[in-house]
Amino acid sequence: QKEVEQDPGPLSVPEGAIVSLNCTYSNSAFQYFMWYRQYSRKGPELLMYTYSSGNKEDGRFTAQVDKSSKYISLFIRDSQPSDSATYLCAMSRGNNRLAFGKGNQVVVIP
Amino acid sequence: ETGVTQTPRHLVMGMTNKKSLKCEQHLGHNAMYWYKQSAKKPLELMFVYNFKEQTENNSVPSRFSPECPNSSHLFLHLHTLQPEDSALYLCASSQLDSDSTDTQYFGPGTRLTVL
Repeated sequence: QKEVEQDPGPLSVPEGAIVSLNCTYSNSAFQYFMWYRQYSRKGPELLMYTYSSGNKEDGRFTAQVDKSSKYISLFIRDSQPSDSATYLCAMSRGNNRLAFGKGNQVVVIP
Repeated sequence: ETGVTQTPRHLVMGMTNKKSLKCEQHLGHNAMYWYKQSAKKPLELMFVYNFKEQTENNSVPSRFSPECPNSSHLFLHLHTLQPEDSALYLCASSQLDSDSTDTQYFGPGTRLTVL
């Protein structure tokens, strides 16, 4: 079983829709959870970071962590064409080693 | 320059060439990383340097040789690569301390093509 599972998509949504992305993990020792956004031909950019179960909001973005189910989610409200990118989930045990998902390609159609 | 920079951005090399990738971080961090990113695969951690000391080599073939002369600079020396080594090579940095959250900051990557 892979440490981090993420459906690579692609996911196409109309502009203004809510984008819902998720990852599951198998290692209960993970305690830090991140979402990165990667535009084509660019490096990953840290989007959201959280370490506790529950929700964290930042503008149109909400990161959700459910440690009991080993499940994390990212929601993008009022999606824009500029949100079209690949979204990577990442997590860590606090040992400065990140485990990444494969990435989920999102296309927001104007 | 801000953040993490990488040069060159694109590199095409033959299997017998020797080349080097360069990474520089302007964030004052004390840990640096090399990753390989291939299509449809998770990022693969290659090397880790904590306080300029290599702390991890994830079974990377010897044709990849890292060098970390100081906490701001990281190199990846390439020699006699194979076509399957074609990928996006990403450099990242982070700050290690008692309050570390393990968040890493990435450069734009070097797109490597081995002919």
